[in-house]
Amino acid sequence: GAVVSQHPSWVICKSGTSVKIECRSLDFQATTMFWYRQFPKQSLMLMATSNEGSKATYEQGVEKDKFLINHASLTLSTLTVTSAHPEDSSFYICSAFASGRWETQYFGPGTRLLVL
Amino acid sequence: DAKTTQPPSMDCAEGRAANLPCNHSTISGNEYVYWYRQIHSQGPQYIIHGLKNNETNEMASLIITEDRKSSTLILPHATLRDTAVYYCIVRSQGGSEKLVFGKGTKLTVNP
Repeated sequence: GAVVSQHPSWVICKSGTSVKIECRSLDFQATTMFWYRQFPKQSLMLMATSNEGSKATYEQGVEKDKFLINHASLTLSTLTVTSAHPEDSSFYICSAFASGRWETQYFGPGTRLLVL
Repeated sequence: DAKTTQPPSMDCAEGRAANLPCNHSTISGNEYVYWYRQIHSQGPQYIIHGLKNNETNEMASLIITEDRKSSTLILPHATLRDTAVYYCIVRSQGGSEKLVFGKGTKLTVNP
């Protein structure tokens, strides 16, 4: 199957700083990527849909100015958590469809963010 | 909102078959049934998907009822490494159709 990577796998930062998380499709091109957030003991919640070369589409209740998404190439999407606060501490997961193959979505291993 | 209903938890003995049910009574004609699982602190892993026919791959089998209102994921010989949360999701294919995760079933495989 296709491989999606995320970097970093975990990050600790101070409140008020910004954190960038990278999501890469390693062996396929991805025109569409998704960003999810998962709090402890809860399910995955979709944050936004990222399309290569265009603006991301955010789910209701997700602040687009706080969670900046850039999908500048067919293999890379980035999520920047701006002015992070402790309540942003969560497990962030990206996923991607292989271009032209809409059957299956492949997930990255996740990034655990802890804001102090 | 998720369009599926799953039991919150199940137990299975190692080496036995694990049968995970899922209800999707409002499924549309163009929607597929997908199964993913999430092992603790990892990203979800794709298992299998189907439209109306039963499907089998190296990981599992998927049995979909004739009216498509429910399905069962079968792990034929469960191992301790199959302990995970299993998500049943319905979605249509094409475009950028997103996956909406429900609460899933926590499967615990016991030695």
